[in-house]
Amino acid sequence: AQTVTQSQPEMSVQEAETVTLSCTYDTSENNYYLFWYKQPPSRQMILVIRQEAYKQQNATENRFSVNFQKAAKSFSLKISDSQLGDTAMYFCAFLNYGGSQGNLIFGKGTKLSVKP
Amino acid sequence: ETGVTQSPTHLIKTRGQQVTLRCSSQSGHNTVSWYQQALGQGPQFIFQYYREEENGRGNFPPRFSGLQFPNYSSELNVNALELDDSALYLCASRFGTSGGGYTFGSGTRLTVV
Repeated sequence: AQTVTQSQPEMSVQEAETVTLSCTYDTSENNYYLFWYKQPPSRQMILVIRQEAYKQQNATENRFSVNFQKAAKSFSLKISDSQLGDTAMYFCAFLNYGGSQGNLIFGKGTKLSVKP
Repeated sequence: ETGVTQSPTHLIKTRGQQVTLRCSSQSGHNTVSWYQQALGQGPQFIFQYYREEENGRGNFPPRFSGLQFPNYSSELNVNALELDDSALYLCASRFGTSGGGYTFGSGTRLTVV
């Protein structure tokens, strides 16, 4: 069974600085997707960034980028130029590749606070 | 795109009662999943429907059941509510086999007293 581990329950960063959130996972699959979701107090899960395991290039979305290390089963999220609106819970998630089956497996989350 | 809409936003029920939570998925999204998120935890997979048939289930008892309808709406039913069922219930949808990730609703906060 797949598992996702986020070892940092809480983190804080000053506005405009850079922060990295860690995530490790365990799977015997070779093809899969990894995601970072943001959950602000509004509760809705918002997709931040997606990585396909067969792609070696790290995904980037504006101020958000990942460091995907497939052999180490590590998938960290870097937030550059942190903004107050980045304050939220961040969840790392795993999804098996292909087929109509497959569900997201989430870590326990990291609470990020951006301080002015 | 209309997004994913869940109703109600909040609900209080008494132990032993039954509850139905509703979700209206994004148009064209024929896969819908339900998750339970306890306070301070990550979401846990309850079950998934694809083209109106259940095609995946997490470690939840049979008193958790669901339906998916042709109009991309779905329901989560919970019978014989227990105090531990108090949680945020999230609905998420996607199109078929795409790996583009799920679109989530804002959830229903269920409190069982």
